[in-house]
Amino acid sequence: SQKIEQNSEALNIQEGKTATLTCNYTNYSPAYLQWYRQDPGRGPVFLLLIRENEKEKRKERLKVTFDTTLKQSLFHITASQPADSATYLCALEGLYNFNKFYFGSGTKLNVKP
Amino acid sequence: DAGVTQSPTHLIKTRGQQVTLRCSPKSGHDTVSWYQQALGQGPQFIFQYYEEEERQRGNFPDRFSGHQFPNYSSELNVNALLLGDSALYLCASSQLAENDNEQFFGPGTRLTVL
Repeated sequence: SQKIEQNSEALNIQEGKTATLTCNYTNYSPAYLQWYRQDPGRGPVFLLLIRENEKEKRKERLKVTFDTTLKQSLFHITASQPADSATYLCALEGLYNFNKFYFGSGTKLNVKP
Repeated sequence: DAGVTQSPTHLIKTRGQQVTLRCSPKSGHDTVSWYQQALGQGPQFIFQYYEEEERQRGNFPDRFSGHQFPNYSSELNVNALLLGDSALYLCASSQLAENDNEQFFGPGTRLTVL
């Protein structure tokens, strides 16, 4: 069955460092991979989308990579700030199941001042 | 411009009861998706509505049903509630014609089944 894995342990880093979060998937052929941010008690907020034929995408301090051979996406936040502390979710949309999204369980990021 | 709104914010029901949750999409959006999010887990896709029809469905039983109205708002109905249905129910809207298929989520409805 399809599986999307994100580090369940929280990632604790110091302000100013680069945070790197991982999303691995199995038994899946995604057309798109999206990253969302979720704060406690709130709905997820869309950050970035990367297509299966793209290797890398950037937006301000955010960078996403997508390796369909390794079945992995990496999400980087450079020059991290305490305000970046949140849970980050990856979501996949299938090649043969458009508009059907599968989410990972998310990784909590704590940026300490 | 109002974003996605959901009602009610919180709801407490008992096993066997039925519940209806409501969602108004972001202005200009025509597609509504519903998700169930258990504590500490990611959102699980329930179904998606477009042009008043269910277009995609996740692995949820028939107890979960929905509807989309001509104004694009949507309802999620859950019958014969189980304790395991306790979760945050999220609604997300998007515009079919837009690139990136970005979904805008509402704040969710917290359902507790006793």
